[in-house]
Amino acid sequence: KNEVEQSPQNLTAQEGEFITINCSYSVGISALHWLQQHPGGGIVSLFMLSSGKKKHGRLIATINIQEKHSSLHITASHPRDSAVYICAYISNFGNEKLTFGTGTRLTIIP
Amino acid sequence: SQTIHQWPATLVQPVGSPLSLECTVEGTSNPNLYWYRQAAGRGLQLLFYSVGIGQISSEVPQNLSASRPQDRQFILSSKKLLLSDSGFYLCAWSKGFNQPQHFGDGTRLSIL
Repeated sequence: KNEVEQSPQNLTAQEGEFITINCSYSVGISALHWLQQHPGGGIVSLFMLSSGKKKHGRLIATINIQEKHSSLHITASHPRDSAVYICAYISNFGNEKLTFGTGTRLTIIP
Repeated sequence: SQTIHQWPATLVQPVGSPLSLECTVEGTSNPNLYWYRQAAGRGLQLLFYSVGIGQISSEVPQNLSASRPQDRQFILSSKKLLLSDSGFYLCAWSKGFNQPQHFGDGTRLSIL
């Protein structure tokens, strides 16, 4: 069982729709990252958060530490948002490595 | 501003051949450096990280090794590649642990 579960694995939506991608984990963490991987493979860090909510443009990330759950939301989705979205955490066990989910493949249809 | 360069972008190598992938960071000093691999259809896996020159921590035992000969240079090597070494290799840097990580464009390695 993966230590990080993302849902859905694949998501296809129409342009303009509100998108939600979920991430659940099972250990205590010190921080959680949301990453975006484009078709060519390049990865961009979107958010790093340890509590509450962060917003950047049309992207919003939330985290509930008690429930061990984070969500990434995209408002007014656009075809250029099509990518794989990956969540990853740093545990608070003293090992600083990132543990990654397998990603959610998002496709936005014009 | 900080930039990270990784090369080559793609590489095709025969089984048993050596490997050297290089990553350099500009615009920052004493970064944490990371090598990740993404096998086909799987998530990212941390291979090595470094907090300083000559300091390498290995996360996964395998036939790969890493070196950090200079502050902003991180090299991934192998003496003899295996078929299972195929994948997408990403270098990343951060200002420290619990800081955002910034990724290079990756190297797609195919072993024949």
